[in-house]
Amino acid sequence: DGGITQSPKYLFRKEGQNVTLSCEQNLNHDAMYWYRQDPGQGLRLIYYSQIVNDFQKGDIAEGYSVSREKKESFPLTVTSAQKNPTAFYLCASSGTASSYEQYFGPGTRLTVT
Amino acid sequence: DAKTTQPPSMDCAEGRAANLPCNHSTISGNEYVYWYRQIHSQGPQYIIHGLKNNETNEMASLIITEDRKSSTLILPHATLRDTAVYYCIVRVATSGTGNQFYFGTGTSLTVIP
Repeated sequence: DGGITQSPKYLFRKEGQNVTLSCEQNLNHDAMYWYRQDPGQGLRLIYYSQIVNDFQKGDIAEGYSVSREKKESFPLTVTSAQKNPTAFYLCASSGTASSYEQYFGPGTRLTVT
Repeated sequence: DAKTTQPPSMDCAEGRAANLPCNHSTISGNEYVYWYRQIHSQGPQYIIHGLKNNETNEMASLIITEDRKSSTLILPHATLRDTAVYYCIVRVATSGTGNQFYFGTGTSLTVIP
């Protein structure tokens, strides 16, 4: 089945530790995105990548880092510099067709204590 | 900043049409309007998108005003499974290679039995 996978679904970390969230897609999409969602809030864009080896900061990139070494993968690292890392993280991808709709993964809920 | 304005919540009787409004008064000529929905703790699901003509698919209809400053998503026969947060999104084409999505505040739709 084609789609986007994120793992793990739930992740717990101690404050001060870096943590990497996985996002893989087999849709052959060029573009991939990371969003953060806080309780009762909408989605905010962290980083996006339109092509391999290239990525751009979104609205709330501070404290996060990404890499795009392969078309299928776009991991997000939440660093210790992120002040409030506890949130629901969503990965998405989109193709190069004219419609450009984004397909979302199931999300990773990160809790930092 | 968000590019769209939506009412925070709406109710709809099961079996009736649900009409969800969205204002996007600063939309420019080459920006599309997209609608997504998100069921609690899941990734958002694409519903429909349009530029200036009305659109219909198996899930919903999208009505865009002639001046393109607002739109309405119509779920023709709402079911309990349509209870979700609905996001109206304007796609901004950034310089270079980006195509950012700005999520609005969303409308929490509750379908009542």
